[in-house]
Amino acid sequence: KNQVEQSPQSLIILEGKNCTLQCNYTVSPFSNLRWYKQDTGRGPVSLTIMTFSENTKSNGRYTATLDADTKQSSLHITASQLSDSASYICVVSAISGANNLFFGTGTRLTVIP
Amino acid sequence: EAGVAQSPRYKIIEKRQSVAFWCNPISGHATLYWYQQILGQGPKLLIQFQNNGVVDDSQLPKDRFSAERLKGVDSTLKIQPAKLEDSAVYLCASRPDGGFSGELFFGEGSRLTVL
Repeated sequence: KNQVEQSPQSLIILEGKNCTLQCNYTVSPFSNLRWYKQDTGRGPVSLTIMTFSENTKSNGRYTATLDADTKQSSLHITASQLSDSASYICVVSAISGANNLFFGTGTRLTVIP
Repeated sequence: EAGVAQSPRYKIIEKRQSVAFWCNPISGHATLYWYQQILGQGPKLLIQFQNNGVVDDSQLPKDRFSAERLKGVDSTLKIQPAKLEDSAVYLCASRPDGGFSGELFFGEGSRLTVL
């Protein structure tokens, strides 16, 4: 069964600290994995995409990693800012199937001053 | 480039009433999705359109939910009659092709509260 699991469910950190969010998946055959950021009251926005051959990709203070062998991805946020407070959703695409997108339930990050 | 437009942003109705949500995707985007997002959860697919045809509506509660995408552009999602458990944010998303790597572009969502 194709599933995406994220941890932790929620996280509170102090401004300026780093944090890492986890995404484990069982989606097969794998096409790509995206991390989305969803601010409160807004729609999700893509942060980064990881394909099978990529191990690490950065987007500013956000760094995503992918281990295709263990089917795990992480999103590392460096020097957190108050504006990083949001939900982060992991979405895995399968190569085939009409509905080929599988969503995690998200990690709710709160950055406090 | 204009983003995905949704309306209304907020709607409060009583159970057993009906409601309709509208979505206008990014121009040229062939694929359109409606998702239901309950507070604290990830989006759940309700229906996927490719142009004006339905690709997947297996999770759409068809006894009360309906959706259409006339002319392959904008789309309407209707709930009739609404239940308390329908309280959620309804997200519309589009992407340019029906492939497997395209980024989803989401609208701001329509927040429904059923009393």
